Amino acid sequence: LAKTTQPISMDSYEGQEVNITCSHNNIATNDYITWYQQFPSQGPRFIIQGYKTKVTNEVASLFIPADRKSSTLSLPRVSLSDTAVYYCPLGGGGNKLTFGTGTQLKVEL
Amino acid sequence: DAGITQSPRHKVTETGTPVTLRCHQTENHRYMYWYRQDPGHGLRLIHYSYGVKDTDKGEVSDGYSVSRSKTEDFLLTLESATSSQTSVYFCAISKGLEHTGELFFGEGSRLTVL
Repeated sequence: LAKTTQPISMDSYEGQEVNITCSHNNIATNDYITWYQQFPSQGPRFIIQGYKTKVTNEVASLFIPADRKSSTLSLPRVSLSDTAVYYCPLGGGGNKLTFGTGTQLKVEL
Repeated sequence: DAGITQSPRHKVTETGTPVTLRCHQTENHRYMYWYRQDPGHGLRLIHYSYGVKDTDKGEVSDGYSVSRSKTEDFLLTLESATSSQTSVYFCAISKGLEHTGELFFGEGSRLTVL
């Protein structure tokens, strides 16, 4: 199963843009890159997915370089409610995702 | 709402007792998964199912068994619970195609083994 590496924690202030980078050197050709958000006492929630280049939805953007060995989740203008743990699991066949320990994002006033 | 219900949500049991956790979905999706989450380890896949009576092991399957006799239910059983199985257990379903990476998770079942 492919492994991912992320920073353990990040701090930010309301209104700032936050970029969280994930390293996945052993990504397989057919793996999609996904990002999840998790609040305390809840299950992870899917945020965004991509295969290559850039993807944007209503909550985030995902940047993927050509070699696909890393990805960057960009959260524009974060608020206190974005304080959560963010994961970048890779999917094996049958969507068997491998989650790392995630990045704890703390947003302050 | 992904239509996933986990039961029980909380359970305290003693070492050596059997425990069964249930995951129920209302949308008849093919793929279902059981993960456990522990501090410092993130989420780890225990078992998954790709259809009725079709299951396979994940990365931490020792001490766990699963069954799927109906599309809507995926059961996780600890035959003889140990303290190392104290954890939060999450069920998930996949609604889409393979390899897209989009899973929908339940609210979790917190299990404490004394």
